[in-house]
Amino acid sequence: DGGITQSPKYLFRKEGQNVTLSCEQNLNHDAMYWYRQDPGQGLRLIYYSQIVNDFQKGDIAEGYSVSREKKESFPLTVTSAQKNPTAFYLCASSPRQGANNEQFFGPGTRLTVL
Amino acid sequence: AQKITQTQPGMFVQEKEAVTLDCTYDTSDPSYGLFWYKQPSSGEMIFLIYQGSYDQQNATEGRYSLNFQKARKSANLVISASQLGDSAMYFCAMRELSSNDYKLSFGAGTTVTVRA
Repeated sequence: DGGITQSPKYLFRKEGQNVTLSCEQNLNHDAMYWYRQDPGQGLRLIYYSQIVNDFQKGDIAEGYSVSREKKESFPLTVTSAQKNPTAFYLCASSPRQGANNEQFFGPGTRLTVL
Repeated sequence: AQKITQTQPGMFVQEKEAVTLDCTYDTSDPSYGLFWYKQPSSGEMIFLIYQGSYDQQNATEGRYSLNFQKARKSANLVISASQLGDSAMYFCAMRELSSNDYKLSFGAGTTVTVRA
């Protein structure tokens, strides 16, 4: 089945540690996105990538890093510089062309910093 | 500046009744798209409906319809014949097409609770 997978579903981290969240898609989409969602709030864009080996900062990129070495994969690293990393993280992808193409979302990773 | 505004944090609706979720947007781009997503308690985001700024007719998808009032910059979602499974958070989002980066800006969301 085509879709987006994120792992792990739940992640616990100690303060001061870096952690990497996985996002893989087999939809053959060019564009991929990472969002952060805090309780009861909307989604905020962290990073996005429109093509392999290229990515751009979103609205809240500080304390995060990404890579896009393969079309299918867009991992997000939450670094120790991120002051308040506890949140729900959603990965999405979309075809690059087409104004009306919706973004497809993965199931999300819930990160808790202890 | 906030691009998408959803003023209703939470709403209750009786099963089988219709509910309207408000969304207003702010853009100077003449070409844009508006999206609605549903987020159940499990967390995944489910695409519901799309409206393009140049579309002449309001979009409809099954029980979902979009009341698009371009001059008022309003794109309200109407859910008809509510079901218990409609209980979720609903997000309005916008893509400005001139930027060519396909980013979406999301509103804060509206929580809908359907009562039996």
